Amino acid sequence: AIQLTQSPSSLSATVGGRVTITCRASQGIANDLAWYQQKPGKAPKLLIYAASILQSGVPSRFSGSGSGTDFTLTISNLQPEDFATYFCLQDYNYPRTFGQGTKVEI
Amino acid sequence: EVQVVESGGGLVQPGGSLRLSCEASGFSLSSYWMHWVRQVPGKGLMWLCNLNGDGKSGAYADSVKGRFTISRDNGKNTLYLQMNSLRAEDTAVYYCVRDLDYSDTRGHHFDALDMWGQGTLVTVSS
Repeated sequence: AIQLTQSPSSLSATVGGRVTITCRASQGIANDLAWYQQKPGKAPKLLIYAASILQSGVPSRFSGSGSGTDFTLTISNLQPEDFATYFCLQDYNYPRTFGQGTKVEI
Repeated sequence: EVQVVESGGGLVQPGGSLRLSCEASGFSLSSYWMHWVRQVPGKGLMWLCNLNGDGKSGAYADSVKGRFTISRDNGKNTLYLQMNSLRAEDTAVYYCVRDLDYSDTRGHHFDALDMWGQGTLVTVSS
């Protein structure tokens, strides 16, 4: 199974700041990667799919990039509601696999 | 309202069985791939299985293959997850998820899990 390694596992940031989260795949996965946000006690929410396509309704301060093995999720102008845990998910092959998550804290 | 709602979770003994249901409203289940994903509280996410719109194509994670079965009744607009031979490590919140089913200009499909239920807790314990 393809392993996805996210870094860092957690980070501290400030409102208005910029955050970059990395997801590295154990083998090339083209651009078959999505990013999800999860807040405590809630279901995950789709942010980005196909590595860089912003899901409808998601603020443009979220952006995704990368292909092959290295991917990034960038959050610009961090807002209070962005403090959450972020996961990547590959759909290059089966079984689908998630990264372990990155917690963004104040 | 467009949503999916899971039900059927609860306490079950090791070795037992449970069937989860996921009722879709506001859209036709037959038009979408659907997935089950689980999460141990406080831990990461694990993809379990998926199924296409007509119920004829899908896949499973190795750890549940042969024990779990995903199915759908499009007439009832409902997705199911039959779980047999349950183990303590199957204890988790189980999410039913709709796939946006996006395809690019080349016809390449991308998973985009755009609608998640609220989850249903399954506890496997004696």
